[in-house]
Amino acid sequence: KNQVEQSPQSLIILEGKNCTLQCNYTVSPFSNLRWYKQDTGRGPVSLTIMTFSENTKSNGRYTATLDADTKQSSLHITASQLSDSASYICVVKGTNAGKSTFGDGTTLTVKP
Amino acid sequence: ETGVTQTPRHLVMGMTNKKSLKCEQHLGHNAMYWYKQSAKKPLELMFVYNFKEQTENNSVPSRFSPECPNSSHLFLHLHTLQPEDSALYLCASSQDEGRNTEAFFGQGTRLTVV
Repeated sequence: KNQVEQSPQSLIILEGKNCTLQCNYTVSPFSNLRWYKQDTGRGPVSLTIMTFSENTKSNGRYTATLDADTKQSSLHITASQLSDSASYICVVKGTNAGKSTFGDGTTLTVKP
Repeated sequence: ETGVTQTPRHLVMGMTNKKSLKCEQHLGHNAMYWYKQSAKKPLELMFVYNFKEQTENNSVPSRFSPECPNSSHLFLHLHTLQPEDSALYLCASSQDEGRNTEAFFGQGTRLTVV
C-alpha cells in the first residue's frame, strides 16, 4: 500500500470551473509535502512546497492546504484553463533518510 | 525551463545495444537524481548523488549504471536492457539532499527498448 494516496484518480471539468485534488499520506515523521504538475511526456514542475508548520500556500491560481494532524493535503485550482490539463502529483518527504514517496497522481482534463 | 537539461529526449534501442542518457544542470546544485516513470505507475527513485558521491541505489539492476563526473553532470549508462525497461527516465537536481530543498526536474528521456 502506497504511503501517499491521491484522489480522485482522474477528473474532467469544464474550463473556468474550480476543482480540488486530495492527497492523504501516512509517511511519518514528516518533513515536507510538495505538489507537482506534469504535462504528458514531460518532467514534473513544482507548484508548491509546504513544511509541517504551514497550512496553506498559493501559487497563482493554485492553492495548497496542509493538515499535518490528519495527514491530509489538498490542491485547489481556481478558474481552470485548458493548459491546466495534466497529471498532479503529491510528494511527501520523510525525515528518516529524507526519502520521498510519490503518489500515483491525479489526471486532470479541462474541457472547453 | 527548469534549468535541468536531459538528452536525448527520445531513444529507441535494441536489447543488445549500449547507450547513455545525459543530464546537465547549471543551477549550482549538489544533489542529482535519476527517476524512472513507467506507464500508470508512480515515479520510482533509482539513484541519488550528493557532491558526486552515490548516496542511494534503490535496488536497481546492474544493466543501469550511473556516473556522476561532477556536480553538474549525471549520466545513466544502459546495456542489455529488457522491453520492460521502456519508460520515461527523469533527472532531477536539488541544492543538496537536505530535508526541505526543492527538486527541479528535467524534461525526461522517453526510452523504448525493442
